[in-house]
Amino acid sequence: KNQVEQSPQSLIILEGKNCTLQCNYTVSPFSNLRWYKQDTGRGPVSLTIMTFSENTKSNGRYTATLDADTKQSSLHITASQLSDSASYICVVSDRGSTLGRLYFGRGTQLTVWP
Amino acid sequence: EADIYQTPRYLVIGTGKKITLECSQTMGHDKMYWYQQDPGMELHLIHYSYGVNSTEKGDLSSESTVSRIRTEHFPLTLESARPSHTSQYLCASSDTTGTGTDTQYFGPGTRLTVL
Repeated sequence: KNQVEQSPQSLIILEGKNCTLQCNYTVSPFSNLRWYKQDTGRGPVSLTIMTFSENTKSNGRYTATLDADTKQSSLHITASQLSDSASYICVVSDRGSTLGRLYFGRGTQLTVWP
Repeated sequence: EADIYQTPRYLVIGTGKKITLECSQTMGHDKMYWYQQDPGMELHLIHYSYGVNSTEKGDLSSESTVSRIRTEHFPLTLESARPSHTSQYLCASSDTTGTGTDTQYFGPGTRLTVL
């Protein structure tokens, strides 16, 4: 069964600290993996996208890694800010259809305290 | 910032009412999608469209219907709302890159509560 599992479910950190969010998936075949940021009451916004051949991608203070062999990805946030408080969603796409079906994780709820 | 809009942002209605959730995008994207999301849960695809006059049901069974008469507009309709329809509804669109790496751009969502 194609699944995307994220951990931890929630995380609280102090402003300025770093953190790492995890994503494990069983989706096959694999096309690409995205990390989205979803602010409360808003739609998700794409942070990074990685294909099979890419093992790291950065977007400012966000760095995503991908290990396609172990089917694991991580999102590292450096020097966290209050505005980083949001849900971070891991999304995996397969190659099984022209639509490129997306499998969504439940997200990690990150709270940054001052 | 993606140019995709949803109205209303919040809606509270009684059981049995007919409602239409609006979604519009100004990016000229061919593909549009409707997702349902409950708190703390993953997004579930309920409808999608490849283009004008093309609509398909998604993975999650839904009593809602959609139409795609214009490229930019993809409304979702519930003929008779029930409390089980209470949820957040997210609309998204994507362009056809042909590479399998289409990025979906999401609207702000409509929070629906059926009493």
